Amino acid sequence: EAGVAQSPRYKIIEKRQSVAFWCNPISGHATLYWYQQILGQGPKLLIQFQNNGVVDDSQLPKDRFSAERLKGVDSTLKIQPAKLEDSAVYLCASSLGVGVQSFGPGTRLTVT
Amino acid sequence: SQKIEQNSEALNIQEGKTATLTCNYTNYSPAYLQWYRQDPGRGPVFLLLIRENEKEKRKERLKVTFDTTLKQSLFHITASQPADSATYLCALASNFGNEKLTFGTGTRLTIIP
Repeated sequence: EAGVAQSPRYKIIEKRQSVAFWCNPISGHATLYWYQQILGQGPKLLIQFQNNGVVDDSQLPKDRFSAERLKGVDSTLKIQPAKLEDSAVYLCASSLGVGVQSFGPGTRLTVT
Repeated sequence: SQKIEQNSEALNIQEGKTATLTCNYTNYSPAYLQWYRQDPGRGPVFLLLIRENEKEKRKERLKVTFDTTLKQSLFHITASQPADSATYLCALASNFGNEKLTFGTGTRLTIIP
């Protein structure tokens, strides 16, 4: 089966600009997650979707981050405006159940 | 506050020896714990899951133990190989049904030939 797809793989922007990331989960996986992984740290959950509904977005900085999952399949994560501290790898994961998550390769964001 | 600690940032082990990684947690009652492997430039890859009522799980050269009294999990790689070099992450989930994982910071393991 095809894995979780993410694009772009790399992005460099200046602070205060906006950026969007795209994720296509494994077919049939109802649950989709976005994580932020800062260098040297473990992934931190930003938002969790079940189909196209939000289950948990308690750690999403809602003043600048937004995410949507239209039709319960693909998802986009947007940052507007970006700050220097947003430099990180943004990981998308999906799961069928029982907690095992399949991760995409991530998007490395550099904010200058 | 909830905290997950992995024993060290980096661990160097001689090839052929057993590598043991530690994951400790506080202020948490996990329903299950998972271990993931992450290579540079890639997303984490699932290795093993162990439930709160299980003491030990094995998969090929991998073994995980889970002690809810000590609030600790140990991850062992026996007969280690250079290809086992990677960062290993432990992750805890509060309950089944809500699959929200909280990750530790990871341990970077290097197997020296």
